[in-house]
Amino acid sequence: GAVVSQHPSWVICKSGTSVKIECRSLDFQATTMFWYRQFPKQSLMLMATSNEGSKATYEQGVEKDKFLINHASLTLSTLTVTSAHPEDSSFYICSARGPNSAGQGNTGELFFGEGSRLTVL
Amino acid sequence: GQSLEQPSEVTAVEGAIVQINCTYQTSGFYGLSWYQQHDGGAPTFLSYNALDGLEETGRFSSFLSRSDSYGYLLLQELQMKDSASYFCAVRAGFQKLVFGTGTRLLVSP
Repeated sequence: GAVVSQHPSWVICKSGTSVKIECRSLDFQATTMFWYRQFPKQSLMLMATSNEGSKATYEQGVEKDKFLINHASLTLSTLTVTSAHPEDSSFYICSARGPNSAGQGNTGELFFGEGSRLTVL
Repeated sequence: GQSLEQPSEVTAVEGAIVQINCTYQTSGFYGLSWYQQHDGGAPTFLSYNALDGLEETGRFSSFLSRSDSYGYLLLQELQMKDSASYFCAVRAGFQKLVFGTGTRLLVSP
């Protein structure tokens, strides 16, 4: 299968500090990964598309300088929440397309990491 | 812009059949997907419709009508473990997947 792993699962930090979340594709290479944010009982909101070896593409309304994304290798993308504040507390989930995503009949299925729950005090 | 509307909550009993609707408005469309998410967990893929009609996968079926910008997920022979949130999602571009508002399904004994 296509396994995506996130770390850490839970993180609590003080207001004003930065937090880094890692997203790894364990058994396949992912040139593109997607970062979503989900508030309690709400939908998944796409924050940005992470592209290996190039700059991330951010969705409208997402602050590039606050949510730094680095996709330095084919199996790792990182999201850094800089100068975190309580309103940044949320569930952050990464995802990637599987290894056969370009094939005919591609369903566009995304494989999600376990998610990282950020609490900013 | 993109918008995908779903009912916020649906309740049913074990063994019943439930239909979760999704209406969408997107600037691009490459297909409609459905995902299941248990509380605190990651979304998992259920089904995908690129063309009009019904797709069946075990107890779950999904339907799409592109002319109506509408689709639904049908869950049969409901089980307690089906209690979860269900999201429709549209491939609005080659890469991007935009999710619906989500429907919380509560299955009771």
